[in-house]
Amino acid sequence: NAGVTQTPKFQVLKTGQSMTLQCAQDMNHNSMYWYRQDPGMGLRLIYYSASEGTTDKGEVPNGYNVSRLNKREFSLRLESAAPSQTSVYFCASHRDSGRETQYFGPGTRLLVL
Amino acid sequence: GNSVTQMEGPVTLSEEAFLTINCTYTATGYPSLFWYVQYPGEGLQLLLKATKADDKGSNKGFEATYRKETTSFHLEKGSVQVSDSAVYFCALSKKAGTALIFGKGTTLSVSS
Repeated sequence: NAGVTQTPKFQVLKTGQSMTLQCAQDMNHNSMYWYRQDPGMGLRLIYYSASEGTTDKGEVPNGYNVSRLNKREFSLRLESAAPSQTSVYFCASHRDSGRETQYFGPGTRLLVL
Repeated sequence: GNSVTQMEGPVTLSEEAFLTINCTYTATGYPSLFWYVQYPGEGLQLLLKATKADDKGSNKGFEATYRKETTSFHLEKGSVQVSDSAVYFCALSKKAGTALIFGKGTTLSVSS
């Protein structure tokens, strides 16, 4: 059981380049999330998907787009990367209930030069 | 709005010392409360949780009690080990299908 997987693990981009961060879960969870983690800021929600076919903005959505490709996969796209998007990105998932555990992927470290 | 406030770190302790990391929250109703731990270079993993008032979550020697009267969920461990060195996040969840709201994290460093 792989849980939540993310690719790539590490990426360096130049300002203005685009890239897509991939996330997949094999737990049949309905809800999936993208967070970014910055020093002293905790985790901040970028986008989430409460079910297949739906996506909603979180706290810091500017500069990002997402796609819920199917129930398993939830990708995050940076169309034109900026140095302010240097961060560690985490994908997470859980079933419907807010009382249940969210499971996190190992993270993607992104450096934008 | 909903929010979580944790004590600022870093917290530096010697092995076998007692640990408390304070966490208070602001939310209406009855949120679920969580402690997550992040070991160096890894993602977050659930340490413990409590879903209603007066519940005590426990795992790996860590405990936290959901106190609605003080809106708190403080993390405690009686005797820390070097392997407990990590970043600890307090979080709350209000309802189904919504993201967790995290505190800013507290770094714990335990020396032998």
